[in-house]
Amino acid sequence: AQTVTQSQPEMSVQEAETVTLSCTYDTSENNYYLFWYKQPPSRQMILVIRQEAYKQQNATENRFSVNFQKAAKSFSLKISDSQLGDTAMYFCAFMKQNTGNQFYFGTGTSLTVIP
Amino acid sequence: GAGVSQSPSNKVTEKGKDVELRCDPISGHTALYWYRQSLGQGLEFLIYFQGNSAPDKSGLPSDRFSAERTGGSVSTLTIQRTQQEDSAVYLCASSLMAVNTEAFFGQGTRLTVV
Repeated sequence: AQTVTQSQPEMSVQEAETVTLSCTYDTSENNYYLFWYKQPPSRQMILVIRQEAYKQQNATENRFSVNFQKAAKSFSLKISDSQLGDTAMYFCAFMKQNTGNQFYFGTGTSLTVIP
Repeated sequence: GAGVSQSPSNKVTEKGKDVELRCDPISGHTALYWYRQSLGQGLEFLIYFQGNSAPDKSGLPSDRFSAERTGGSVSTLTIQRTQQEDSAVYLCASSLMAVNTEAFFGQGTRLTVV
């Protein structure tokens, strides 16, 4: 079975500063995908960034980047130059490759950006 | 449509009543997922449809829960004889294919059972 753990229920960061959200997962699979989703108060889940496990290079999307440590099964999200609009719940998710399978989600981290 | 649409946005029902939640996926998306998000919890997988294949119902918590997808498009999640523990946000997502592609989520239906 796959499990995803987010050990930080709540975090806060000053506007323009950098914050890192932690995520670990447990799987026996070798090929899989990892995701970070953002859920603002509107409730709509928005994909922030995605990482293929076979790629060694960490994914980046503008101010968002990940630190993917496959051996440690760790997938942290770094948000640089935090903005007020980054305030949201952030969910880490896992999907097995090539199985048309479900996402496995962590319990989320509530991030507040303080002006 | 432009995105995944769910209705109603909010639903309050009395314990023991049946409810139907609707999801309109993005046109052309073959995969459709239902998730449940309870307060302070992550997303719990309920069911997924892929094209004309038999749905994966492994996440449905009890036989009071069922879902169907008509014509490979609109999906309805039905909860019979609702209980207070069914109170949650029910999220629907669709993707172009079930494998390795981004899932687009709707805004969810907040169900409150009183």
